[in-house]
Amino acid sequence: AQRVTQPEKLLSVFKGAPVELKCNYSYSGSPELFWYVQYSRQRLQLLLRHISRESIKGFTADLNKGETSFHLKKPFAQEEDSAMYYCALSGGYQKVTFGTGTKLQVIP
Amino acid sequence: DGGITQSPKYLFRKEGQNVTLSCEQNLNHDAMYWYRQDPGQGLRLIYYSQIVNDFQKGDIAEGYSVSREKKESFPLTVTSAQKNPTAFYLCASSDSTGLNIQYFGAGTRLSVL
Repeated sequence: AQRVTQPEKLLSVFKGAPVELKCNYSYSGSPELFWYVQYSRQRLQLLLRHISRESIKGFTADLNKGETSFHLKKPFAQEEDSAMYYCALSGGYQKVTFGTGTKLQVIP
Repeated sequence: DGGITQSPKYLFRKEGQNVTLSCEQNLNHDAMYWYRQDPGQGLRLIYYSQIVNDFQKGDIAEGYSVSREKKESFPLTVTSAQKNPTAFYLCASSDSTGLNIQYFGAGTRLSVL
């Protein structure tokens, strides 16, 4: 079975402070991990994926297989980062499992 | 306008009634998905289809049914057996190149009268 855990329902940070959204997963094989974001009144969309090892809008995420984690980080939060963030795991047969989501609130 | 189109935006169901949510895509994607989104529970997979005329149950398939007769379309029927249907339903598609990036529709909000 594949599982994704996002322990925080809400994360509030001040503008300019570092951000870390936690994601832990459970999967017996080699997973693909993703972060999706949903801004207010917009569709859910891909933010980044571990395979590409890219930085999008200043966010990065490193897959730590030893700790089975894929935390999302940004050194300096901006007000426009306020949104709902979902961690997702893709296992075999294209089945995708999402976490429960973390609402990020950036305080001006 | 390309992408995933869900309709209707809002839907109301009476007791004992079956209702069907539409999902159409023009991205030429092989795989399509239905999720249910409830506050505090994230997205839960109802059904998914990797190819036409084939689909698999997700984690919460009871009370739902789907069909995949065309590549572009993946309608979801919420049957009267689903006792708690009030939720936000999201449809998604992904290509089969191995990237498995999901593209989402705008969603349908279903309420019970």
